[in-house]
Amino acid sequence: DAKTTQPPSMDCAEGRAANLPCNHSTISGNEYVYWYRQIHSQGPQYIIHGLKNNETNEMASLIITEDRKSSTLILPHATLRDTAVYYCIVSNYGGSQGNLIFGKGTKLSVKP
Amino acid sequence: GAVVSQHPSWVICKSGTSVKIECRSLDFQATTMFWYRQFPKQSLMLMATSNEGSKATYEQGVEKDKFLINHASLTLSTLTVTSAHPEDSSFYICSATRGDRGRTEAFFGQGTRLTVV
Repeated sequence: DAKTTQPPSMDCAEGRAANLPCNHSTISGNEYVYWYRQIHSQGPQYIIHGLKNNETNEMASLIITEDRKSSTLILPHATLRDTAVYYCIVSNYGGSQGNLIFGKGTKLSVKP
Repeated sequence: GAVVSQHPSWVICKSGTSVKIECRSLDFQATTMFWYRQFPKQSLMLMATSNEGSKATYEQGVEKDKFLINHASLTLSTLTVTSAHPEDSSFYICSATRGDRGRTEAFFGQGTRLTVV
């Protein structure tokens, strides 16, 4: 079973920030938080990952709470192309151990 | 970023025939690749771990004799669906983890849509 809980769906207006929450209350000390997204009929795309500190890259920002029991993925200026299912996954090193367990994710719909 | 390519993108086959799906890491070597299956409106389910030069490791409930995996080189893993049946129709996705340069994220292929008629 997935070790994360995400809302099934969210809407966001184009150009606004999309904030996608994720609960991972049973995360262990050596597990990272990874975010992937899957656009319809494509393979998942890596977005960002982090351990303790907040992270930012060209795609998104990741905010992890101090107790590491939850996190938020932020897409600062959502576009229509960001419409996808977003998966929050906790894992040791992104699956090199073969343990990328996908939950149901959050279906983000960006609307004009 | 690293690229993982799958071929074919889609395939239609007759019931009882076998289908081979290729997964290639284009710009890095992958000692381990993973195969997932995704049914409509469901999430990805890990099927097996493909190890270069050794036998694949299958998840519980996945028939190893039906889903043959070969990982003959550091850049290629193949999944063969043998004696395919309509219930095998699904979206098959591979991934590989780039272990060099301290990178730990997994990269996924674009997926293969298999339809068995």
